This record gives sequence, C-alpha cells and structure tokens, in this order.
Amino acid sequence: DAGVIQSPRHEVTEMGQEVTLRCKPISGHDYLFWYRQTMMRGLELLIYFNNNVPIDDSGMPEDRFSAKMPNASFSTLKIQPSEPRDSAVYFCASSLRSSSGNTIYFGEGSWLTVV
Amino acid sequence: GQSLEQPSEVTAVEGAIVQINCTYQTSGFYGLSWYQQHDGGAPTFLSYNALDGLEETGRFSSFLSRSDSYGYLLLQELQMKDSASYFCAVEETGGFKTIFGAGTRLFVKA
Repeated sequence: DAGVIQSPRHEVTEMGQEVTLRCKPISGHDYLFWYRQTMMRGLELLIYFNNNVPIDDSGMPEDRFSAKMPNASFSTLKIQPSEPRDSAVYFCASSLRSSSGNTIYFGEGSWLTVV
Repeated sequence: GQSLEQPSEVTAVEGAIVQINCTYQTSGFYGLSWYQQHDGGAPTFLSYNALDGLEETGRFSSFLSRSDSYGYLLLQELQMKDSASYFCAVEETGGFKTIFGAGTRLFVKA
C-alpha cells in the first residue's frame, strides 16, 4: 500500500517567495494533519482536517500560512511570503478513526530551507 | 491548553530495559500514543493506550494511568537500532486533535 506521499521532499527558496507543499493521504483515511518539526519547537500541529473540513487551525503560526483540502486525496500547505524562520521539516500525516485508536501515518516530510 | 512532559534524553546499554515516562495535561483526554523517529526519518507509530493498564507489542510495552495523567513506554532487550527519538502524543476528545511531546532521545550503547 502507498503511504502518505509528500512533495517536494526538499525545497530551498528565497525569503519572500511563495512555497506550496503538497500531500496525498492514504486512501480511505478520514483525518489529515500538517505538522512542523524544528529542533527548537519540536513537532507542532499546524492544522488538521476531518473529511476534508478544517477542524482546528489554531497552530497555524501566522496569516502567511494557509492550508486547503479540496478533496479526500489532496491537501496543500502554502506559505506566502516565506521567511527564514519558516525553515523546518513539514510533515503531512493521515489516519483513520477506529475503536482501537487513531494511528497516525506520516509522510517522509518536506524539508524546507528559506534563505 | 495542553502540555506533555518527557525526559529529553536517556542512555542505556544494549540488552537492557529502559522506561520513558510521559506526563500530560489536557482539557479532554482520549488516548496516549507513542511514536519512534530515527534521524532524518518520519515518526512511526509504536503503541496506543486509551484505557488504564499495559499494552504489549513485542519488545515494546506501553502503560497508562488516566487518574495520574501518566504513561510510559518500556523497551526491553535493547538493540542498537532502538537509538532514536521517542514521542508521546495525546489524543483529545471531540475532534481527536493529537499533540506531541518534545521527544526523548534514546542512546543505546554497546
């Protein structure tokens, strides 16, 4: 089975540029999460969706960040304009709610460097 | 708000047993999960507890005490490949928001 697929895997961009990160969740999963990981702040939840609907975006750091999930098989996280402090690994993850819990499956991450 | 506390670093020798503790505070607790992450990799699921008690999966066990807002991950027969970061994560009621702790870096020495 294909896991969570993220693109790009690595991106280096200049400050002020727009960055779009893409995610294809595991087919059939009803939850999609965007996390950001840095040494200083650890693994932060930015936003999550249930059945394509954003449930909680309280972790989105600023208005420069936006996320969409137009359908069950695709989500984007956009940063516009990007800043050096946005440099991090961005993980997309998905899960299927069941009685035995909420196992979250992570993609390999998008490594973003803003210079 | 939510908060999770776990030790930043633990060192143990190959073949030994190590316990990584996690205490949490949350407005609505549903379950506690554990994830492993190797350097440069993605977090991967290890274990989940929604009820009090011990869950065992091979060399890994996880324990939860809801009344104490406390859980731990127990790793037995440590191997070098177990050197990684281990995260506890709280799943909240309602929307099932999942928040991760800062992680515990485990070093396994020969």
